[in-house]
Amino acid sequence: QSMLTQPPSVSGAPGQRVTISCTGSSSNIGARYDVHWYQQLPGTAPKLLMYGNNNRPSGVPDRFSGSKSGTSASLAITGLQAEDEADYYCQSYDNSLSGYVVFGGGTKLTVL
Amino acid sequence: EVQLVQSGAEVKKPGESLKISCKAAGYTFTSDWIGWVRQMPGKGLEWMGIIYPGDSETRYSPSFQGQVTISADKSVSTAYLQWSSLHASDTAMYYCARNRYCGRTSCADFDYWGQGTLVTVSS
Repeated sequence: QSMLTQPPSVSGAPGQRVTISCTGSSSNIGARYDVHWYQQLPGTAPKLLMYGNNNRPSGVPDRFSGSKSGTSASLAITGLQAEDEADYYCQSYDNSLSGYVVFGGGTKLTVL
Repeated sequence: EVQLVQSGAEVKKPGESLKISCKAAGYTFTSDWIGWVRQMPGKGLEWMGIIYPGDSETRYSPSFQGQVTISADKSVSTAYLQWSSLHASDTAMYYCARNRYCGRTSCADFDYWGQGTLVTVSS
């Protein structure tokens, strides 16, 4: 069971807007640690999609945006495209025990 | 260009040992951290641990502490993940990834990833 909770799946039609939530706790997101997002296309390695809550690496379209509030974070995708169909993971840091990296369980985005 | 190139797929029997590698290029290997992430078949990402090749400081997820060993060789810009005795449950894809900082007080994002090494453990 992941310390960061994501919905197992979301879906949307081309052109629509979808959001993926990432819910943590007071020892990770709520402790003001940054949230990062990764996109994993089928059969490929994960790719950094968003870092520091709302910053896009070079090459990531501005259709992708991130936000964080309290113990949760969200990834929004507007103008949904077929190539956005992938698994999405959030990641943060947890200060319980000796401190470690935590990933969300992942969300499968289906473009209808 | 930053690149992390991992060693090839492995097929092993339970009880055997294994060491897989992740060779870095395109940046100063000793200035950044290298982490390892497991992905079991059809499952999500799990952080295993991380190493700072500059001084070999290593940190493990509580779930993997004592189960694997992470190391690095600065002379060949390569990080390693090894098992002394494999189990069928170790069957998974393993990724290495670079992190600019991952110490005891916080951890940044993993900005570059290797292509993955598939490890299959079966009798």
